[in-house]
Amino acid sequence: SQTIHQWPATLVQPVGSPLSLECTVEGTSNPNLYWYRQAAGRGLQLLFYSVGIGQISSEVPQNLSASRPQDRQFILSSKKLLLSDSGFYLCAWSFRVRGDYGYTFGSGTRLTVV
Amino acid sequence: AQSVTQPDIHITVSEGASLELRCNYSYGATPYLFWYVQSPGQGLQLLLKYFSGDTLVQGIKGFEAEFKRSQSSFNLRKPSVHWSDAAEYFCAVGSNTGNQFYFGTGTSLTVIP
Repeated sequence: SQTIHQWPATLVQPVGSPLSLECTVEGTSNPNLYWYRQAAGRGLQLLFYSVGIGQISSEVPQNLSASRPQDRQFILSSKKLLLSDSGFYLCAWSFRVRGDYGYTFGSGTRLTVV
Repeated sequence: AQSVTQPDIHITVSEGASLELRCNYSYGATPYLFWYVQSPGQGLQLLLKYFSGDTLVQGIKGFEAEFKRSQSSFNLRKPSVHWSDAAEYFCAVGSNTGNQFYFGTGTSLTVIP
């Protein structure tokens, strides 16, 4: 069965420090992968999505970047965090198999920039 | 343009009462529709989804949703709410290519005893 792993679960980082959040998917190949951010009291904002290795689409310009070094690995990074980067970050993957269609989320990372 | 609207930001219901959360979508083709639930500090869990066929779909935890093409709606319902249903609920529409997924802004549900 397919599973998605996201870590760490919580993170407190000082302003100006770097960031690396990792997401991996198991049990599938060539998934579409996504990074979302959920600010306090707000909906889900799509940050990046990837349809394959090295293929990254950015939905909004910001202080963050994403990379996909392997088929089932998706990394969210920042060179220097800002206070406004605080939020709840969710990784997701989508599949479409024989008429079924799904979109599954990781458990999220709570990032607090201090 | 594709979009999803959840008109109710916050809803409060009494335990045991019925619940309906509204969702309207705008999509140029046949939509793939989803409802997710998010408990505090957790990821999103799929409640139910609609692709085609019977317009009334059953999901987990006693939830159901009805697709109404004429109204561009996919409202979520539950006949009797439990205190554990307190959470954030998100409606979403997906493209048939699987590459694009659009979320509503969510409805926060509070359940009072």
